[in-house]
Amino acid sequence: DTGVSQNPRHKITKRGQNVTFRCDPISEHNRLYWYRQTLGQGPEFLTYFQNEAQLEKSRLLSDRFSAERPKGSFSTLEIQRTEQGDSAMYLCASSLNGGAGADTEAFFGQGTRLTVV
Amino acid sequence: GENVEQHPSTLSVQEGDSAVIKCTYSDSASNYFPWYKQELGKRPQLIIDIRSNVGEKKDQRIAVTLNKTAKHFSLHITETQPEDSAVYFCAAINDYKLSFGAGTTVTVRA
Repeated sequence: DTGVSQNPRHKITKRGQNVTFRCDPISEHNRLYWYRQTLGQGPEFLTYFQNEAQLEKSRLLSDRFSAERPKGSFSTLEIQRTEQGDSAMYLCASSLNGGAGADTEAFFGQGTRLTVV
Repeated sequence: GENVEQHPSTLSVQEGDSAVIKCTYSDSASNYFPWYKQELGKRPQLIIDIRSNVGEKKDQRIAVTLNKTAKHFSLHITETQPEDSAVYFCAAINDYKLSFGAGTTVTVRA
């Protein structure tokens, strides 16, 4: 499978625990995004990487959220001290940017559904 | 930052009729506008996109129009079929940030 892969697909955790999700983008894609989606809403931007550099983090994101993309390949999203409000689908997407005006389609992974109980 | 608004939030059409979804964006620097279809429990998938140097693009039963002056773009689905039932999202990208509308739930009645 050469698409975007996310693990795990589902995660149930107790409030206060830490969770980590992984995203493997399409191999040649230099851009990687994390989004959060709740029922009936569009994907909400969380953070963005250009290669290994994290270039933007949403102001909506608390300090409990952190993301990394070491070596510009896979990425991890960690949520510390989870709260019930963190329950959502966490989507990863990747795309290839070939320079000014050359954006290409962003491909999404299947997502990780987080339930905080 | 970019703000994308999408209307209507729900749309019910008779099979064979057309469906139109409209979006507006706030950042005049946005230059790429994709549309995604998301079926229940599945990932969003691109169905059509348009760049800022083009006014209209068509792919079989799907077409998208862009009015840069008014900063709005629309999705048109003709001859709707039951398999067109899904949630549709418009999006806009400025430099790198892909911002989404809230989505339109389309139901095609047989």
